[in-house]
Amino acid sequence: RKEVEQDPGPFNVPEGATVAFNCTYSNSASQSFFWYRQDCRKEPKLLMSVYSSGNEDGRFTAQLNRASQYISLLIRDSKLSDSATYLCAVKAGSSNTGKLIFGQGTTLQVKP
Amino acid sequence: GAGVSQSPRYKVAKRGQDVALRCDPISGHVSLFWYQQALGQGPEFLTYFQNEAQLDKSGLPSDRFFAERPEGSVSTLKIQRTQQEDSAVYLCASSLGGEQFFGPGTRLTVL
Repeated sequence: RKEVEQDPGPFNVPEGATVAFNCTYSNSASQSFFWYRQDCRKEPKLLMSVYSSGNEDGRFTAQLNRASQYISLLIRDSKLSDSATYLCAVKAGSSNTGKLIFGQGTTLQVKP
Repeated sequence: GAGVSQSPRYKVAKRGQDVALRCDPISGHVSLFWYQQALGQGPEFLTYFQNEAQLDKSGLPSDRFFAERPEGSVSTLKIQRTQQEDSAVYLCASSLGGEQFFGPGTRLTVL
């Protein structure tokens, strides 16, 4: 079993839709959690850090569920420009190097 | 520029050749990471530097892979005797301890 798992999709949604992605992690000692966005043939860019209390940035909401060991990303009012791959990343709590463990990524296609 | 830069952006190598990939981190960033990203997968950790010290190289797939950061700034990832399975995008990221900022990557194709 991979340490961080995501449904690769693709998720095909119409403009204006609400879409949610989940990401599960296996290491209960994990301390920090992130969502990255990666456009085709580009580098990952940090979208949001995920805090225990949940956090929101405009149309994007990230949540952490430590008991069930998953993080989620909700995108409201989807735009065509939201089409990308969304990577979740976990910083292992037992590691003092700060390395990130990434999921496979979930592909989102927003259609007109 | 203000971001992480990497060179070359694209590299085609014949099987068995040695390659060297360069990363220029954001000025002042203490931490530097190398990741390998295969097509359709998320990035996978290779190695980590804090200044010039290589503190974690647990992700390097074989002893053909070698990384250095001699002056605590620019880093080079070297792959000796390249194999077809080394074909991937090699991403460098730098950090001050929090968020990691990624460079554009080097796309390596081994024929």
